[in-house]
Amino acid sequence: DAGVTQSPTHLIKTRGQQVTLRCSPKSGHDTVSWYQQALGQGPQFIFQYYEEEERQRGNFPDRFSGHQFPNYSSELNVNALLLGDSALYLCASSLFPTSSGNTIYFGEGSWLTVV
Amino acid sequence: AQTVTQSQPEMSVQEAETVTLSCTYDTSESDYYLFWYKQPPSRQMILVIRQEAYKQQNATENRFSVNFQKAAKSFSLKISDSQLGDAAMYFCAYIESGSRLTFGEGTQLTVNP
Repeated sequence: DAGVTQSPTHLIKTRGQQVTLRCSPKSGHDTVSWYQQALGQGPQFIFQYYEEEERQRGNFPDRFSGHQFPNYSSELNVNALLLGDSALYLCASSLFPTSSGNTIYFGEGSWLTVV
Repeated sequence: AQTVTQSQPEMSVQEAETVTLSCTYDTSESDYYLFWYKQPPSRQMILVIRQEAYKQQNATENRFSVNFQKAAKSFSLKISDSQLGDAAMYFCAYIESGSRLTFGEGTQLTVNP
């Protein structure tokens, strides 16, 4: 049983460019959340997708957008990259609703470096 | 704002001994869930243990146990018989009526042989 898989593992982008990160949830899970983890800090919630809709959003600008596909996989898009967007981006999957205490599984993350 | 505070940026323990990591949180909800996650150098978040706020009994998973004090909003993690593989960053987190996990800043645990 595959866990949460993310791609790419590492990538380097230039300021102003756009990036797309991908996530496949654990088998049987229908909910995907994205987190940003800056170096030396705890993860920060970006948004959550369920039934192909954004259900909740953290304190991130509109440059951060996402999508969920019918097979429950998800993409995170970041436009107009800033140096401060350099971070580890974690995808988490679970059954909906996460507030009921369903176990949340994380992928290994995508390291984004903006130069 | 909901917050999670881990007051120990770094902790160390001798192999086979016991260590306790501290966590306090702030929420106005009465029903929520608390978690401890482990993040080794591979960076994947691994669930160590979870506690349901409405349960008074402290959760236990093998060598890992928690001391949950709801009134004090305290949720500490005790690791018994520490092993070299326990070395990692440990994050305390909670989830309530919303969809998001709120994390603390983490405690880096070193296990000395």
